[in-house]
Amino acid sequence: QKEVEQDPGPLSVPEGAIVSLNCTYSNSAFQYFMWYRQYSRKGPELLMYTYSSGNKEDGRFTAQVDKSSKYISLFIRDSQPSDSATYLCAISHGGSYIPTFGRGTSLIVHP
Amino acid sequence: ETGVTQSPTHLIKTRGQQVTLRCSSQSGHNTVSWYQQALGQGPQFIFQYYREEENGRGNFPPRFSGLQFPNYSSELNVNALELDDSALYLCASSPYRTSNDNEQFFGPGTRLTVL
Repeated sequence: QKEVEQDPGPLSVPEGAIVSLNCTYSNSAFQYFMWYRQYSRKGPELLMYTYSSGNKEDGRFTAQVDKSSKYISLFIRDSQPSDSATYLCAISHGGSYIPTFGRGTSLIVHP
Repeated sequence: ETGVTQSPTHLIKTRGQQVTLRCSSQSGHNTVSWYQQALGQGPQFIFQYYREEENGRGNFPPRFSGLQFPNYSSELNVNALELDDSALYLCASSPYRTSNDNEQFFGPGTRLTVL
């Protein structure tokens, strides 16, 4: 079993839809949870970062962590074609920033 | 303020050859990490350099080696290339060595193809 599991998709939605992206992880020692966005031919960029269970909101993006279920989610409201990218979850242990990445979910938002 | 830059953009090598990839970190950042991203996979941590010393290594063989220079730029060297080394190689810089509230800034990557 991989430490971080993420469905590769692709996930195709119409513009304006609410998108839900998810990851599961196996190691309860993980404490820090991140979501990255990666456009084609670019490096990943950090979208959201949290270290506690619950929700964290930033504009149209909401990150949710459920440590009891080892499950993290990223919600995108009012999705736009410019949101089309690969979304990577990343998780790290306390004391080290070196993250373990999921394989990424490809999101396509069509007009 | 310039971001993380990597060179070359693309590279084609044959099996058994050696390759050097280069990274210039973002201004003011003294920590550089290298990742390998195979097609359809997430980035995998290779190693990290802090103030010219290796500071952590992932599950990669010794033929993957690196350097960090006094200006905090970095090189990734791969010897005896194998077909499975074909991937996007990402460099990420950050201002501190290990901090969980510390964002890493990624470069655009070098696409290596091994034939």
